[in-house]
Amino acid sequence: DTAVSQTPKYLVTQMGNDKSIKCEQNLGHDTMYWYKQDSKKFLKIMFSYNNKELIINETVPNRFSPKSPDKAHLNLHINSLELGDSAVYFCASEGQEGEKLFFGSGTQLSVL
Amino acid sequence: GENVEQHPSTLSVQEGDSAVIKCTYSDSASNYFPWYKQELGKRPQLIIDIRSNVGEKKDQRIAVTLNKTAKHFSLHITETQPEDSAVYFCAASIDYGQNFVFGPGTRLSVLP
Repeated sequence: DTAVSQTPKYLVTQMGNDKSIKCEQNLGHDTMYWYKQDSKKFLKIMFSYNNKELIINETVPNRFSPKSPDKAHLNLHINSLELGDSAVYFCASEGQEGEKLFFGSGTQLSVL
Repeated sequence: GENVEQHPSTLSVQEGDSAVIKCTYSDSASNYFPWYKQELGKRPQLIIDIRSNVGEKKDQRIAVTLNKTAKHFSLHITETQPEDSAVYFCAASIDYGQNFVFGPGTRLSVLP
């Protein structure tokens, strides 16, 4: 099942570092998202890209920046990592009919 | 904006019993209500969904009911099995898929 794939699966890094998480979908979807799942399992939307245009930004710190080279990719760059950034980050893409959300396998980020 | 609440936060049932998880939403404009199952260490996956023009939908052992007037919807799992153990998330969205808002999740444990 590689419809939505993200890498790396695990990312361990020091505070203050800059890191990127990559996401690719081969479903031909127009909209992709980044979600953050904290230790309490809450799923919070971070960004949404539709045809390379940012359409949602849920008050995420500007240390986080999504970058979409094309509609099949939505990468997440994080600058100056902080302890509180530790979480699982899920990429997702949305069906053409505007309904079903497909998630990537997640990236577990640990900031030490 | 939309707010989705979910109860209970944890649920333990004996194998073979039924499990019910309830969600309420705040925005009467929401018209699409999916349920996601997340097994330990894996991605959330869609298990069933319902649109606002339908009151009930069933797929084998799982069913979802929607009460638009009361703004709540429920997931029903019958004849539970150990593999049903997971965290279940409800969600609500407007315009059939835009701006998904997730509930906080319910951890279901099916005891053998």
